[in-house]
Amino acid sequence: ETGVTQSPTHLIKTRGQQVTLRCSSQSGHNTVSWYQQALGQGPQFIFQYYREEENGRGNFPPRFSGLQFPNYSSELNVNALELDDSALYLCASSLGIRTSGTSGELFFGEGSRLTVL
Amino acid sequence: KQEVTQIPAALSVPEGENLVLNCSFTDSAIYNLQWFRQDPGKGLTSLLLIQSSQREQTSGRLNASLDKSSGRSTLYIAASQPGDSATYLCARTGTYKYIFGTGTRLKVLA
Repeated sequence: ETGVTQSPTHLIKTRGQQVTLRCSSQSGHNTVSWYQQALGQGPQFIFQYYREEENGRGNFPPRFSGLQFPNYSSELNVNALELDDSALYLCASSLGIRTSGTSGELFFGEGSRLTVL
Repeated sequence: KQEVTQIPAALSVPEGENLVLNCSFTDSAIYNLQWFRQDPGKGLTSLLLIQSSQREQTSGRLNASLDKSSGRSTLYIAASQPGDSATYLCARTGTYKYIFGTGTRLKVLA
């Protein structure tokens, strides 16, 4: 069974640039969620994708966008980077159930550490 | 506002001690409660998942309980070891998202 993998592991960008982070979900999982974790804080929910559709969104501006592909892998795109976007970005996969709206057990990748200068 | 609070924020104990980490939440309409471990600069490792209909889960030296009526969950670690040193996070689910606490930083001294 393949776990959740994320790339790149570390990257440095400057203000105003754009970044794309990638995530491969665990085998058999149809739902991917993205979280932002600032230093010393708990992860904050960005959005979730279920079967290629956005299934929920947290309190993040529209410059945070995402995609889920037919193989359930996912991308997180952030435009017009700001200094406060510096954080660990975590991808989690799960087996979601749309009808009940519940999210199953989350399995996280190792994260992508973004530094914005 | 849906919040998750973890107490204490940091804890340092000698090896071999049994310890309890606390997690409280304001919304009792939860689906799942999940405990995670995070090593510095790393992702989250799932420890235990308690579904809404359950009261507790056990894995090895770990036991997690859930009391929805009081809005509390506890993680019990038996016979702590230096390798248990990490940040422990609890998270409750609503409909589609998990809401995390800020974690308890645990240090087990050899």
